[in-house]
Amino acid sequence: NAGVTQTPKFRILKIGQSMTLQCTQDMNHNYMYWYRQDPGMGLKLIYYSVGAGITDKGEVPNGYNVSRSTTEDFPLRLELAAPSQTSVYFCASSYSLEPTGRGTDTQYFGPGTRLTVL
Amino acid sequence: GENVEQHPSTLSVQEGDSAVIKCTYSDSASNYFPWYKQELGKRPQLIIDIRSNVGEKKDQRIAVTLNKTAKHFSLHITETQPEDSAVYFCAASLSGGGADGLTFGKGTHLIIQP
Repeated sequence: NAGVTQTPKFRILKIGQSMTLQCTQDMNHNYMYWYRQDPGMGLKLIYYSVGAGITDKGEVPNGYNVSRSTTEDFPLRLELAAPSQTSVYFCASSYSLEPTGRGTDTQYFGPGTRLTVL
Repeated sequence: GENVEQHPSTLSVQEGDSAVIKCTYSDSASNYFPWYKQELGKRPQLIIDIRSNVGEKKDQRIAVTLNKTAKHFSLHITETQPEDSAVYFCAASLSGGGADGLTFGKGTHLIIQP
């Protein structure tokens, strides 16, 4: 099991450029998440998904989009990069036993993508 | 939404001593409280978690306590070792294991002095 993988590891973007951060998990987890971590801060939730075809906004969704066409993949799209989006992005996944989410297991994090927007 | 406050931001202890990190949360409906350890440049890794139907949980040198009435929970590390040096984050969730995501504190940089 590779767990949660993310690509790329590092990326520098110019203001206004677009990119997609890739996230894949091979644990057959139904829940997936995107967080961002600014220097010296905790993680903030951007978007999450409870299953293929279902996504929802987290605390800081502005400037981002997601899709979930398969159980394994949960890409994060930045359409018009801004300096405020300079951060480390972590993808995570977990498994829920019930539709309500109760009994959901540990969130496993990917290695992160360090993004700089200049 | 939920708000999690974490203290202190930096904690320096002598090797072998105990360390305590405290967190408070705002939403009384929150029912899942994990603690993550993050080493420099690495991903967060779960070290222990507690659910609202339990007051205390222990795993070797690490323990977590939860006071639902006061809405606070704490991480206790005993007999600290150099490898315990890292940033520790508490988090809270409204839905069991965090089905709708986790709300994190800002982190505590734990420094173990030799």
